[in-house]
Amino acid sequence: NAGVTQTPKFQVLKTGQSMTLQCAQDMNHNSMYWYRQDPGMGLRLIYYSASEGTTDKGEVPNGYNVSRLNKREFSLRLESAAPSQTSVYFCASSGEYQPQHFGDGTRLSIL
Amino acid sequence: GIQVEQSPPDLILQEGANSTLRCNFSDSVNNLQWFHQNPWGQLINLFYIPSGTKQNGRLSATTVATERYSLLYISSSQTTDSGVYFCAVGNSGGYQKVTFGTGTKLQVIP
Repeated sequence: NAGVTQTPKFQVLKTGQSMTLQCAQDMNHNSMYWYRQDPGMGLRLIYYSASEGTTDKGEVPNGYNVSRLNKREFSLRLESAAPSQTSVYFCASSGEYQPQHFGDGTRLSIL
Repeated sequence: GIQVEQSPPDLILQEGANSTLRCNFSDSVNNLQWFHQNPWGQLINLFYIPSGTKQNGRLSATTVATERYSLLYISSSQTTDSGVYFCAVGNSGGYQKVTFGTGTKLQVIP
C-alpha cells in the first residue's frame, strides 16, 4: 500500500543543472499535483494534472515543466536550476471530490 | 484567488488540553481539507470537509461554508499532535486546485 511515491528524497544541484523529480501513485487517481514548500510557508501549487493527458499551470510555474506520463506518473522537470528553486517539493494525487494524498517530499538544494 | 487565513499562527499546549484552530476564507468553496504536517515533514490528510461536521477519534472539524470558516478541534492533546496544521480550500470543482493557508504550528508539551 505505497500511496504516493516520490524520488529522489534528497538532491543537491549546482546552478544551471537540470533534473527531473518523479512521482507515482497507485490509487487509480485521476488528478495529480506538484507543490513547493518554503520555510515557514504553506504549500504553493506549481502545476497540476486534472486527468491523464492534461496539465495546467498553478500559482508558481515559472522555471518548471511537467509531464503526465500515464495515469500513475507525473514528473516535474527543472531545466536550468536556480538557487530560488531550493525548496521541498511535494507530489499529491486525488480522486474527484476526494481527499488529497501526499508523497513524503523531495528536499532539493541548489548551490 | 481565494485568500486563506489561519489562526492562531502558533500554539503551545500542555498534554491533555483541548484546542480550536480556525481557518477563514474569502470566497465560496466546494473543497476544504485539513492536513497535519508532522515534525518529519510528512503531510497527512485529516479531513475533507467542504461543509458540515466530521469526527475522527480525538479530532473533529466543522465547516460553516455560508460564513466562510472552518474549525479544527483537538481534544486531550498528545505530544504526537505536535506539528503544523494546514487548511486548504478551493472552488474549482472535482479536481482540487486548492490554496493552502500558512498554517498553525502546534507544540504539545508533556
